[in-house]
Order: sequence, then C-alpha cells, then structure tokens
Amino acid sequence: QQQVKQSPQSLIVQKGGISIINCAYENTAFDYFPWYQQFPGKGPALLIAIRPDVSEKKEGRFTISFNKSAKQFSLHIMDSQPGDSATYFCAASKRDYKLSFGAGTTVTVRA
Amino acid sequence: NAGVTQTPKFRVLKTGQSMTLLCAQDMNHEYMYWYRQDPGMGLRLIHYSVGEGTTAKGEVPDGYNVSRLKKQNFLLGLESAAPSQTSVYFCASSPLTTEAFFGQGTRLTVV
Repeated sequence: QQQVKQSPQSLIVQKGGISIINCAYENTAFDYFPWYQQFPGKGPALLIAIRPDVSEKKEGRFTISFNKSAKQFSLHIMDSQPGDSATYFCAASKRDYKLSFGAGTTVTVRA
Repeated sequence: NAGVTQTPKFRVLKTGQSMTLLCAQDMNHEYMYWYRQDPGMGLRLIHYSVGEGTTAKGEVPDGYNVSRLKKQNFLLGLESAAPSQTSVYFCASSPLTTEAFFGQGTRLTVV
C-alpha cells in the first residue's frame, strides 16, 4: 500500500510548456518531501526538496508547491526542455530518513 | 569520487539459485538502503542500515537478507531466487541528513 500517491502516470508537454506533477500523502509524521529525477538506465537523483514549514521552493525552472492542510505537494517544471524528459518520483520521509516513493511520472517533452 | 557503486549491473538467475548484490559507497555515509523498482510501483525499501553492523527491515524484506560488516559496503542476498524477484535493484546511501544518493542499479531477471 503506497504511502505516497502520484499522478499522472505520464504526460507529454511541448517545449517551453509547463509540466505539473501532483502527489498526496496521508502520514502527517512525514516532514521531508523530495523529488527525484531518473533517466533511463540510471539511478534516481535528487532534484529538489521541501520541508513542511514552507509552502513553496524554487530552484531554477523547478518549483515545489506544498499544501500542508491538504497533505499535497506538486512539482512544476517551467519552460520544459527536451532534456527534462525523464521519470520523476515524489517521495516523503519522517525523521528516520526512510523514503516512501510515489509510483513515478514519465515526462516527455516534444521539441 | 565514485559515489555509490553497484555490482553487478545485470544478472540472470534460475529459480532457486542464490546470489549477492554488492553496494559500495565512498562518501563515508552512515545510512545505506536497498530498494527495488518495479513498473508502476516506484521504489520500495527492502532493507536498510543506520550504521556499520546494523540492519533493519524495510517495506518488502521477505526473501532477502543483508549485511553491513564494513561502513562502506552493504550486501543484499537472495538465498533462493524466485521469478517475483525479477526487478531493478538500487542501493542508496545518505549522511545523517536526508538526501539519498543512488547507484546505477542492478537489473536482475529470474527465470
């Protein structure tokens, strides 16, 4: 039973468009919410992360929005580029640092 | 600086055979993890270790054993492989904070 639910399963966006991936969780003890990016044949790599004391974090073209009351968080990829084509995983952990991952979203950016 | 290195990268096993997957990290991290990745299910935690000589069960530990005799190495063993263990296995390590660094993965097929 997945503790973090992620949607959509896949999405296609035009170059320059915005990609939005959503995640929801139930466990209110989670206090760390990272997003990982994975290219085919590679391991996941940390993209950006947020803690529940802030509602938004931005790093370059990537933004996390966090809604503590709704127990939801999302990743926005602005000005999407072909190089952003990858699988994105949201995750959550408590202070024990054991990550619970969402099922993943495959993003395809068309040139 | 190699980061997290997994050996082997690919393996085909017959049902009932045993094998050991090796994970080595050169970042002096305390925490190490083994995950399996299956389509549509994200990454699920098999076993983890919070320091040399310690191991603990994760979300899906059945059929696997682990050992951490040295801080830099974390071994995952399959005593009697089953087709349900066909998966991509990822090792990760992290310091006493939260970012997890992943290896390149081991693709295991059990026939």
